[in-house]
Amino acid sequence: AQSVAQPEDQVNVAEGNPLTVKCTYSVSGNPYLFWYVQYPNRGLQFLLKYITGDNLVKGSYGFEAEFNKSQTSFHLKKPSALVSDSALYFCAVRDSSSGGYNKLIFGAGTRLAVHP
Amino acid sequence: GAVVSQHPSRVICKSGTSVKIECRSLDFQATTMFWYRQFPKKSLMLMATSNEGSKATYEQGVEKDKFLINHASLTLSTLTVTSAHPEDSSFYICSAPSGQGRTDTQYFGPGTRLTVL
Repeated sequence: AQSVAQPEDQVNVAEGNPLTVKCTYSVSGNPYLFWYVQYPNRGLQFLLKYITGDNLVKGSYGFEAEFNKSQTSFHLKKPSALVSDSALYFCAVRDSSSGGYNKLIFGAGTRLAVHP
Repeated sequence: GAVVSQHPSRVICKSGTSVKIECRSLDFQATTMFWYRQFPKKSLMLMATSNEGSKATYEQGVEKDKFLINHASLTLSTLTVTSAHPEDSSFYICSAPSGQGRTDTQYFGPGTRLTVL
């Protein structure tokens, strides 16, 4: 079965320190992977995606993610965290069984808390 | 990036009434849109796939007669919660892919907070 796992409910980091939000996936075929961020009472904002090519993907707001095929991981990273990065982060993978539809399978979400 | 809007952003209704939520793609056309439901501090649950010009495809366990979906045009999909009950209170989010390719990004609306009294 296809799935996405975000093993950490919450990640705490001090402002200025590097941050990592973990994501692993299980999907048949080539994985199309996405990261989204959600601020309180808002929809999801697209951060970045991996389709093919370089394993290191750069996205919005200084975020990047590293695709690791052998570990089936797609961890989100940022070199220096800001308090304003505090939000709920979702990893998602395209459901390869959805045919022509771009259905996404979401992880449970990880709450990032950046402390001053 | 592409912009998706939702209206209303917040609605409070009485039990037994119906509520319509609109999802619009503002700067692109979308033959497919998706409707999600999100419970507090939980992930998104896909409810249905809205298809322009044809019937919506509902996920297992979602009542199609309760959650009516109409994809009226290439930029508008509506979700109507019929005979709403307090357990229907939730945050409803729509999304639309920016294209028809398998790798296209989905863009999400800002969500609609529904409270049924």
